[in-house]
Amino acid sequence: TQLLEQSPQFLSIQEGENLTVYCNSSSVFSSLQWYRQEPGEGPVLLVTVVTGGEVKKLKRLTFQFGDARKDSSLHITAAQPGDTGLYLCAGTNAGKSTFGDGTTLTVKP
Amino acid sequence: EAEVAQSPRYKITEKSQAVAFWCDPISGHATLYWYRQILGQGPELLVQFQDESVVDDSQLPKDRFSAERLKGVDSTLKIQPAELGDSAMYLCASSRRGAGSHEQYFGPGTRLTVT
Repeated sequence: TQLLEQSPQFLSIQEGENLTVYCNSSSVFSSLQWYRQEPGEGPVLLVTVVTGGEVKKLKRLTFQFGDARKDSSLHITAAQPGDTGLYLCAGTNAGKSTFGDGTTLTVKP
Repeated sequence: EAEVAQSPRYKITEKSQAVAFWCDPISGHATLYWYRQILGQGPELLVQFQDESVVDDSQLPKDRFSAERLKGVDSTLKIQPAELGDSAMYLCASSRRGAGSHEQYFGPGTRLTVT
């Protein structure tokens, strides 16, 4: 069983602060996806990372894949209330994805 | 922009009743997934189809759950009989064949409440 652990489980910050959330596993993945999910909705794909050490930026969001392809981080600069949501990571091998339990982020105005 | 459609969005049913959910994936997506998501947890895969064939149903409780994708397009997930512990969000997702197949696109989900 390939398990993904996400930390912290909950994070509450003020608008304008920076934050980093983590996704860790003992398994190697061929790719890793980050999704954001709002209450009552399905997850929305943010990014896919494939290469060890890869860094991708999406506006104020920076995603990094660990060198060994076992872990990943998501850094948000100058968080805004619109960033509030559940951030899920998913590790993929052979067409099958395993999801972590997510980090619930609340950004207060 | 193409989206995954699911219906109904909400369903309340009594335990021991039958319930069915429908999913229409993005046109041309070969792979279709059904997930169950309990509040506070990540999605858990129930069944994965490649075209009309099941490729993974190892976590599907087959005594009460069934899924089909007869023509390789839309899909139905059924629960009979429903139990209190089945209350959850049921998510459908689809992905392309080949390159990009690891990127899943989710529907809005069906929130099931069993009373």
